[in-house]
Order: sequence, then structure tokens, then C-alpha cells
Amino acid sequence: SAVISQKPSRDICQRGTSLTIQCQVDSQVTMMFWYRQQPGQSLTLIATANQGSEATYESGFVIDKFPISRPNLTFSTLTVSNMSPEDSSIYLCSVELGIGNIQYFGAGTRLSVL
Amino acid sequence: AQSVSQHNHHVILSEAASLELGCNYSYGGTVNLFWYVQYPGQHLQLLLKYFSGDPLVKGIKGFEAEFIKSKFSFNLRKPSVQWSDTAEYFCAVNARGYNKLIFGAGTRLAVHP
Repeated sequence: SAVISQKPSRDICQRGTSLTIQCQVDSQVTMMFWYRQQPGQSLTLIATANQGSEATYESGFVIDKFPISRPNLTFSTLTVSNMSPEDSSIYLCSVELGIGNIQYFGAGTRLSVL
Repeated sequence: AQSVSQHNHHVILSEAASLELGCNYSYGGTVNLFWYVQYPGQHLQLLLKYFSGDPLVKGIKGFEAEFIKSKFSFNLRKPSVQWSDTAEYFCAVNARGYNKLIFGAGTRLAVHP
């Protein structure tokens, strides 16, 4: 497994502002993922971030709203831009390790937008 | 498109009761199957996984799951639950060779002493 640290753990933000969430892993990984978990719902994949290439976004998510950086093999950021109350969710990063595409998750960032 | 269905959204049990949580998926090809658990205030943890071989897999804390290919199911079981099993349980699937995980809606389990 891996130790995955996310910052901040929670935040309360004003409408129209942006928040950048950081994800740090204690080992080098190729694949990192960002998920959203809206209140009372399951996890939905936002995008896949490989080091050295542009992130791949899932249907319904766009780079202008959720820009992602992946500067090296242990770090990634997700920015939630121009926030609205509908963006209030838990945002999680995960990494893929070992065979079988097993993913390990960070503790998440709980975002509330007023 | 792949999808995962968890039939029970909320389950309430007394300690020592047996547990079975249903999970069905829709995908015609070969899959990897997972159960994740999220204890209150903690992050998602891998409970068990199935890739191939024996369809009955054992995970941590006495949990097991059975893959029934003909039913596209991967149900989670535990013969005797404990209060500490109170958590939310997520079934997840990915197509073999692909990294996109599809999650079910989750089942909240509450175990009363």
C-alpha cells in the first residue's frame, strides 16, 4: 500500500473563488486519480493524472473547471475553480499500485461552498 | 457502460448477526472486483479483491466475498458482525487491464451492541 496525504482536510469557501487540493504520496506512482463524492452519493471519477501528460477527464468534467497538475511521480493537485454550492463534496485522490489496478485512497478533502 | 448496483443502502444488525451485502455489476468482459470499507472518520480502505482463481476470496477482519460469474455478482459476507464493523461499504469494478474504477452507491452498515 501507500501513504497518501491530502491537504486541506476540509475547507469552507465562498462562491466564485477557487481551491487547490494537494495530494502527496510516499512512493513514486504512475497513475493518480481524482474522485468526487457528493453528499449521500458514491465516488465518481473526475480525471486520471499521469506524470508528464495531460490529465484525462471523464464525461461531465472539464479542465477549465477542474484543472489538474502532475509535476512529478509523487504529487498532484486538483483545483476546483469558480466554485458554486453545487461543488460542495468530498474530493479524494487515489493512486494505483501493484497488479490488478488496485487503488489506494487518501483521506479526502471535505469542501463546503457558501 | 459499466455499472455497479448495491441493493441495500442501509443495513442495521445486532452484534453476532450474519451479514451479506449484495453487489451486481454490468459488464460483459473480464473484470477485477473490489470491496472497500470506510469507517467513520477514516479514509477508504481495501477490504478484499478478486482477480481470478478461487471465486471465494477472504479479506481482512473476517470478511469474505464470492464471485458468481453467471450472476454478475460479488456479494460480501461475514458470519458474525461486531460493533466495530459499523462503516460504509463500497463495491467497485474495473475492466481487466483498465484502471477506471466504477463504484456502487455504497451500503451503510450500523451494528448495535
